[in-house]
Amino acid sequence: DVKVTQSSRYLVKRTGEKVFLECVQDMDHENMFWYRQDPGLGLRLIYFSYDVKMKEKGDIPEGYSVSREKKERFSLILESASTNQTSMYLCASSLRGQGDTEAFFGQGTRLTVV
Amino acid sequence: ILNVEQSPQSLHVQEGDSTNFTCSFPSSNFYALHWYRWETAKSPEALFVMTLNGDEKKKGRISATLNTKEGYSYLYIKGSQPEDSATYLCASVYGGSQGNLIFGKGTKLSVKP
Repeated sequence: DVKVTQSSRYLVKRTGEKVFLECVQDMDHENMFWYRQDPGLGLRLIYFSYDVKMKEKGDIPEGYSVSREKKERFSLILESASTNQTSMYLCASSLRGQGDTEAFFGQGTRLTVV
Repeated sequence: ILNVEQSPQSLHVQEGDSTNFTCSFPSSNFYALHWYRWETAKSPEALFVMTLNGDEKKKGRISATLNTKEGYSYLYIKGSQPEDSATYLCASVYGGSQGNLIFGKGTKLSVKP
């Protein structure tokens, strides 16, 4: 059974904290993505990576960074958490290509910044 | 930023009704169209990935069509069941984007028994 696993289902952090969201996939996929989902806004791409140590900004990268040191792991970092980063975060992975293969998603991390 | 539109935003139907929703996307430089089903407390799961104009795919009671020239896709559910209740997401992919999916806001379907 293919899997994308996110390290936490729920997380509460304080404003100004550095926050790490971890994502691991066991399908040997080249592409990995981080999205956030907010009511009325749909899934918005924060960052994606198509290879180890490669990263590309998505539509809303401000306030975030990423790390991909190993193929199976893609980490999202909130350098200094703020309340407007309270959201549901979804990680996904897919085979290398131009987007004609399905993406597999993690279960999501609901982050609350207080 | 490319825009993918889905309509309606939400839909309430009775068990046994057939229903359909729309996904509209920019047609220039189009590469692929994805449909996902996202049930509450679960991960989004792929239903279909389509690339060819005129393509039609089917999985059980659910089917989808694609018109790449005019930039739309329809998702059909025949004989809706309560377990079909979910948010249905479409996402488009454009050439040269390394497989970057651009999602619409989704259609939330509720099926009443």
